[in-house]
Amino acid sequence: SYVLTQSPSVSVAPGQTARISCGGDSIESKSVHWFQQEPGQAPVLVVYDDTDRPSGIPERFSGSNSGNTATLTISRVEAGDDADYYCQVWDSRREHWVFGGGTKLTVL
Amino acid sequence: EVQMLESGGGLAQPGGSLRLSCAVSRLTFTSYAMSWVRQAPGKGLEWVSDISGSGGATYYADSVKGRFTISRDNSKNTLYLQMNSLTVEDTAVYYCARRKRTAFEGWGQGTLVTVSS
Repeated sequence: SYVLTQSPSVSVAPGQTARISCGGDSIESKSVHWFQQEPGQAPVLVVYDDTDRPSGIPERFSGSNSGNTATLTISRVEAGDDADYYCQVWDSRREHWVFGGGTKLTVL
Repeated sequence: EVQMLESGGGLAQPGGSLRLSCAVSRLTFTSYAMSWVRQAPGKGLEWVSDISGSGGATYYADSVKGRFTISRDNSKNTLYLQMNSLTVEDTAVYYCARRKRTAFEGWGQGTLVTVSS
C-alpha cells in the first residue's frame, strides 16, 4: 500500500518560516492535500492539489510537490499556527485515501 | 454556512454494533462525495470509507472492510456508517468529510465511539 512519511515534529520561532515535508514514492504524480488540526478540533483544509489554497486560508500557507517529497510552507509563522499538520493523497491503485502520520508544529 | 453534524457515537461492547449519522445542510448534497475519517485517542487521522455523490460507488479501508458499511440518503441529506463486529481498535473520534472534487473541503466536529467491555 502507498505510504506517506512525515517528520513527527517541527519547531520554529514566530516570524520565521516552517517547512513540513511529506514523503512518498513518486508523490509528484499525485495531488497532495494538507490539513491543519488544532487540539480538540476537526481538521481544516489549508492546501489542496499541491499548491492551491481554499478561500479564507492566508497566503502565508503554500505548497509544493516534486520528486518524492511534497512540502507545506508556512511563512511568517504565528502562535496560532501551532497545530498538527497532515498530508493526504488518493492511492488510485488501491482506491484508498491515505494520510501521512502527521507533524506537530511547535511555535517557540 | 454549511453544517455537518455527526451523531450516533457512544459506548459499545466488543462484537457489538453502532450506526453513525452525518446530517448535512446548506449545500447540494448530491454534488459531494462523502467520507468517514477516524482518529484514535492521541493518534493521527485514518481514512475509513468513501461514497460517491449518487451512492453508487463505495470504498473501504482494509481495517474495516467486511465489518463497516457506508451509505447515504440523498433525500435526507444524510450520510451513514453502519459499524458491526466492533473491536477495541475501532475506538476513535469519527468525522464525516465532504469532497466536491479532489479534497476534503469540509469536516464535521466528530462523534466519539468507545468500544469497551
